[in-house]
Amino acid sequence: AQTVTQSQPEMSVQEAETVTLSCTYDTSESNYYLFWYKQPPSRQMILVIRQEAYKQQNATENRFSVNFQKAAKSFSLKISDSQLGDTAMYFCASLTNTDKLIFGTGTRLQVFP
Amino acid sequence: DTEVTQTPKHLVMGMTNKKSLKCEQHMGHRAMYWYKQKAKKPPELMFVYSYEKLSINESVPSRFSPECPNSSLLNLHLHALQPEDSALYLCASSEEGAVSSTDTQYFGPGTRLTVL
Repeated sequence: AQTVTQSQPEMSVQEAETVTLSCTYDTSESNYYLFWYKQPPSRQMILVIRQEAYKQQNATENRFSVNFQKAAKSFSLKISDSQLGDTAMYFCASLTNTDKLIFGTGTRLQVFP
Repeated sequence: DTEVTQTPKHLVMGMTNKKSLKCEQHMGHRAMYWYKQKAKKPPELMFVYSYEKLSINESVPSRFSPECPNSSLLNLHLHALQPEDSALYLCASSEEGAVSSTDTQYFGPGTRLTVL
């Protein structure tokens, strides 16, 4: 069975600093995708970044980048130059050919001025 | 444009009421999803429609009845709900509904449901 684990229930960071959110996953599939979603207090689930498992190059999206370690089944999210608007719950998720998106339990990130 | 819309934003209903949640996307996506999210928890998958046919039902109680009238529209009909069904209901869509190069799920803003 697929599992996604986020071991940090809460994190905090000062504005303009860098923070890394951890995620590990377990799957027996060879073809899968990994995602980070952000859910601010407004509750809209927003896609932050996506990584295809067959790509060795780490995905980046402006201030957001991932460190994808396939052998270790690790998929961490780095947020650079943190902004107040980054305050949200962050969910790591994996998707295989079952068409089911498996979420981790989430990390609540607070950005302080 | 990656917009998924949901109506209403908030819904309060009694246990004997019948109500419906609506989800709409105009991205040409062929897969649509219903999720239930309790406070401080990740979303839980309820139903998946692929090409307007129900492909996954995660053993959801029959008091929740999904409907996909066309490829752009997804409804969730509610009847005889229980207070524990109070949650945020999220709709999502994806291009194909299977692992492909563009299978990312895009979410709507959700409907906050309260059952009294």
